Amino acid sequence: KNEVEQSPQNLTAQEGEFITINCSYSVGISALHWLQQHPGGGIVSLFMLSSGKKKHGRLIATINIQEKHSSLHITASHPRDSAVYICAVRSYNTDKLIFGTGTRLQVFP
Amino acid sequence: KAGVTQTPRYLIKTRGQQVTLSCSPISGHRSVSWYQQTPGQGLQFLFEYFSETQRNKGNFPGRFSGRQFSNSRSEMNVSTLELGDSALYLCASSLQGFEKLFFGSGTQLSVL
Repeated sequence: KNEVEQSPQNLTAQEGEFITINCSYSVGISALHWLQQHPGGGIVSLFMLSSGKKKHGRLIATINIQEKHSSLHITASHPRDSAVYICAVRSYNTDKLIFGTGTRLQVFP
Repeated sequence: KAGVTQTPRYLIKTRGQQVTLSCSPISGHRSVSWYQQTPGQGLQFLFEYFSETQRNKGNFPGRFSGRQFSNSRSEMNVSTLELGDSALYLCASSLQGFEKLFFGSGTQLSVL
């Protein structure tokens, strides 16, 4: 079993829909990152969380440390949100970043 | 402010050769980390440098090595290349390693 699990693996949505991507992890962490990767490889860091909730524009990230779970929400989705979203946790014990396998999102007009 | 710069963008090598990749971090950032991305394994952590010292290392063989210079620029080296080393190699920088990461565009390495 992977230490970081994401669901769903693939997600298709219509423009305007509310989207949720989930991340569960099994190790103790000091921080959790949400990353966005567009075709062509470039990765952008969306959020870094250690507790609570963060919001940036139409994106909201939450984390529940007790349940070892985080969610990334996209409100009013747009075709430009189409990308792979990757959850990564920094292990409290090893300080290493451990990545989930990513969620491929496609938003159609 | 310039972003993280990785060179070269593309590289083709043959088995048994060695390769050196370069990463220039954002000015003022002292932490540089390296990652390998393949379709089969996804993103995997290679190593992290802070102030010219390797602070952490992932589970990769000794053929993978790196270093960081006094200006925070970093290089990674892969010796005796294998077909399985074909991947996108990404570096990221941050102020001290525990904050938001800024990624370069990556170096796409193909080993023939």
